Amino acid sequence: QQQVKQSPQSLIVQKGGISIINCAYENTAFDYFPWYQQFPGKGPALLIAIRPDVSEKKEGRFTISFNKSAKQFSLHIMDSQPGDSATYFCAAEISGGYNKLIFGAGTRLAVHP
Amino acid sequence: GAVVSQHPSWVICKSGTSVKIECRSLDFQATTMFWYRQFPKQSLMLMATSNEGSKATYEQGVEKDKFLINHASLTLSTLTVTSAHPEDSSFYICSARDSRTRYMNEQFFGPGTRLTVL
Repeated sequence: QQQVKQSPQSLIVQKGGISIINCAYENTAFDYFPWYQQFPGKGPALLIAIRPDVSEKKEGRFTISFNKSAKQFSLHIMDSQPGDSATYFCAAEISGGYNKLIFGAGTRLAVHP
Repeated sequence: GAVVSQHPSWVICKSGTSVKIECRSLDFQATTMFWYRQFPKQSLMLMATSNEGSKATYEQGVEKDKFLINHASLTLSTLTVTSAHPEDSSFYICSARDSRTRYMNEQFFGPGTRLTVL
């Protein structure tokens, strides 16, 4: 019940296309859902995050869509660029106390010119 | 955004020796720090959570006597890998958060430390 399932494992998109990565969870107590971007040999960087009280959040070319009833959330990267090529991790957390992030398995995105 | 540094960025050591990795929050006070381990092409695996001035809480399966964590101040946590062996070779990443702020959920990650044990 603590798992976050992420798909696809890898994704190839042409420059200018839309990259879509999906995550699903079981624990309804999760109330914070961040996405992280990680380049090879670097630590993850927070990209965008959402809470269950909204269904969508947009920051620049990055959008999180959140479906509370389906217990799913997804990351959309519009106008994908070669510089977006990285590994993306979704995560979920229960706020308060000794809360900790539960990470998905990651998606390796390659954006071809 | 908040900055977390790690030192060293990479280290090579001989089997049986101990290695210390530092994690610092440079522009904020970290009430909580986390240590992760990441193998190639895999996700981050949480090793332990430490709160300033308290003993670290280790995840199941992580040997606390092998991976010593100290969070002595609000800006510094250290991970010591004792009696390192080749199977300890991995990418170690720390993160930090200030649980007292409105951004209490946000974890800021360090750049990672690549440990290679020969």
